[in-house]
Amino acid sequence: QAGLTQPPSVSKDLRQTATLTCTGNNNNVGDQGASWLQQHQGRPPKLLSYRDNNRPSGISERFSASRSGHTASLTISGLQPEDEADYYCSAWDSSLGVWVFGGGTKLTVL
Amino acid sequence: EVQLVESGGNLVQPGGSLRLSCTASGFVFSSFAMAWVRQAPGRGLEWVLHIDSSGNIIYSADFVKGRFTISRDNAKSALYLQMSSLRAEDTAVYYCTRETMVTTGGFDPWGQGTLVTVSS
Repeated sequence: QAGLTQPPSVSKDLRQTATLTCTGNNNNVGDQGASWLQQHQGRPPKLLSYRDNNRPSGISERFSASRSGHTASLTISGLQPEDEADYYCSAWDSSLGVWVFGGGTKLTVL
Repeated sequence: EVQLVESGGNLVQPGGSLRLSCTASGFVFSSFAMAWVRQAPGRGLEWVLHIDSSGNIIYSADFVKGRFTISRDNAKSALYLQMSSLRAEDTAVYYCTRETMVTTGGFDPWGQGTLVTVSS
């Protein structure tokens, strides 16, 4: 089961904007949309958005998700030190009947 | 408060078996699909198994290949993962997680995880 493709790392300066990408295919991201998770070291993942750009309650508006075709994006504006974490995308693959995850992007806030 | 608490992780020898449990609270357990997701040390997230709210529909990752089974007891608000024929590569933190109310929307929240170590 091929996973979703994410860049391994992204580095941005404090207070800048970071855009993370997640590429799948027409059966997963392109069909069902993607969700985004944030994971700090030693902590469980936390859902940031689902079905492209729906934020659970309590998630900052600085986190904004979108999708174009079979590529999903997570934009984090006004980067803060606490945004330094691993970010994962996931999607349901309607053709294979499986959940797929991206390999994760490590975001460093300089 | 919505909470998921895993238990049962342990050190087990290759070829051995283990049963993980996840106790849910703070929501109507029987209304939500659930899943197990694992994370090997220093690696990314890997989906394992998914079960619908009634326990009748199960989806599994290819690597499970009949070694792992997922089940639930809605009366006890509990989710289970029975693992057998364990291999070193099954060593990971195993998370219990709830699917969003929007089907195939994602997973939220996640438990703290329970560590399974497969080693002789």
